[in-house]
Amino acid sequence: DIQMTQYPSSLSAFAGDRVTITCRTSQSITNYVNWYQQKPGKAPKLLVYAASNLQSGVPSRFSGSGSGTDFTLTISSLQPEDFATYYCQQTYSTPPTFGQGTKVEVK
Amino acid sequence: EVQLLESGGGLVQPGGSLRLSCVASGFTFSAYAMSWVRQAPGKGLEWVSVIRGDGTNTYYTDSVKGRFTISRDNPKNTLYLQMSSLSAEDTAVYYCATSGSGWYRFNYWGQGMLVTVSS
Repeated sequence: DIQMTQYPSSLSAFAGDRVTITCRTSQSITNYVNWYQQKPGKAPKLLVYAASNLQSGVPSRFSGSGSGTDFTLTISSLQPEDFATYYCQQTYSTPPTFGQGTKVEVK
Repeated sequence: EVQLLESGGGLVQPGGSLRLSCVASGFTFSAYAMSWVRQAPGKGLEWVSVIRGDGTNTYYTDSVKGRFTISRDNPKNTLYLQMSSLSAEDTAVYYCATSGSGWYRFNYWGQGMLVTVSS
């Protein structure tokens, strides 16, 4: 199975801050990475697919980048509604695997 | 509007069985692969199983192989997960999920359903 190492596991930030979350994979997976946002008690929401493509309806302050083994999700200016947990996911091979999650909290 | 509505969760004793259902609407159900994804309390996301749109192929994560069976009834727009030999490690919120493109780009999720394995 492809391992996803996501970091940091948590971070504290102010509204308006730029936030970057990183995922590293155990082997090269070209651009087969998705990013999700999850709020407590809710299902995850797809933000970015294929490493850098913004899902329809997702604000442009979210962006994804990377290829090979290193991927990032960036929130350019953190908004109050962005405080949540974020997960990366590889879809290069079965089983699709998720990172451990990054909890973004209010500083 | 795409909707996925799960049912069948609840409390089950260790070693017991349970069947989850997910009724889909708002899209051509038979055209898309469907997955189950679970999340243990306070933990991350774990993919469990997938079934191809026509039901001909299924895959499972190693920890549930031989215990869980995914199936679908396309005329009824319903996805199932038959779970047996349940243990405490299977306690989780179970989501059905799907994508309009590819097998694992999950842009549609159910509301989630808690399965608790406890005596």
